[in-house]
Amino acid sequence: DGGITQSPKYLFRKEGQNVTLSCEQNLNHDAMYWYRQDPGQGLRLIYYSQIVNDFQKGDIAEGYSVSREKKESFPLTVTSAQKNPTAFYLCASSIASSGSDEQYFGPGTRLTVT
Amino acid sequence: AQSVTQLDSHVSVSEGTPVLLRCNYSSSYSPSLFWYVQHPNKGLQLLLKYTSAATLVKGINGFEAEFKKSETSFHLTKPSAHMSDAAEYFCVVSLYNFNKFYFGSGTKLNVKP
Repeated sequence: DGGITQSPKYLFRKEGQNVTLSCEQNLNHDAMYWYRQDPGQGLRLIYYSQIVNDFQKGDIAEGYSVSREKKESFPLTVTSAQKNPTAFYLCASSIASSGSDEQYFGPGTRLTVT
Repeated sequence: AQSVTQLDSHVSVSEGTPVLLRCNYSSSYSPSLFWYVQHPNKGLQLLLKYTSAATLVKGINGFEAEFKKSETSFHLTKPSAHMSDAAEYFCVVSLYNFNKFYFGSGTKLNVKP
């Protein structure tokens, strides 16, 4: 059964701690993305990767880091430098770098930092 | 510059009546356009997409959308709403050969019994 998995579904952290969100896909997609969703703001792009070992900053990359060591995995680290990390985080993938290919989304991770 | 505007943040309809969710876009290039649906605390699911083929696009669950270049619109419609359609809907634009997607701010659809 192909798809994208994100874990955990809910994550709680204390302020000042780094936290890593997992994203795995078995769709054999080249491109992967991380978005942040806040109420009433749609989705904002944090980072994206078109191929292994390469990634680019999105619109709100400050305070986040990623790696793409394997095609199927694209973990996101929320660092202590992120001023307001509490949000719903969505990972997505698409077949290739053409914008005509739709994105497939994971179920999301809700991060709460107190 | 590219942008997407969803004209209504909330839409409320009665079950069995038509649904219209409005989306306007601006793009310097020929865009691809998508509609996604999101149920609470879930990921996004693709409803339909337009990629320069037929301007009237049919999607899943009875939804369809019409690409109108002259009006730069891509409104989502459904003839008869069902309770299960209650969710948030996102209009998305992307550019061919550019691997970025631009999301509207979303429209929450409420369906009354």
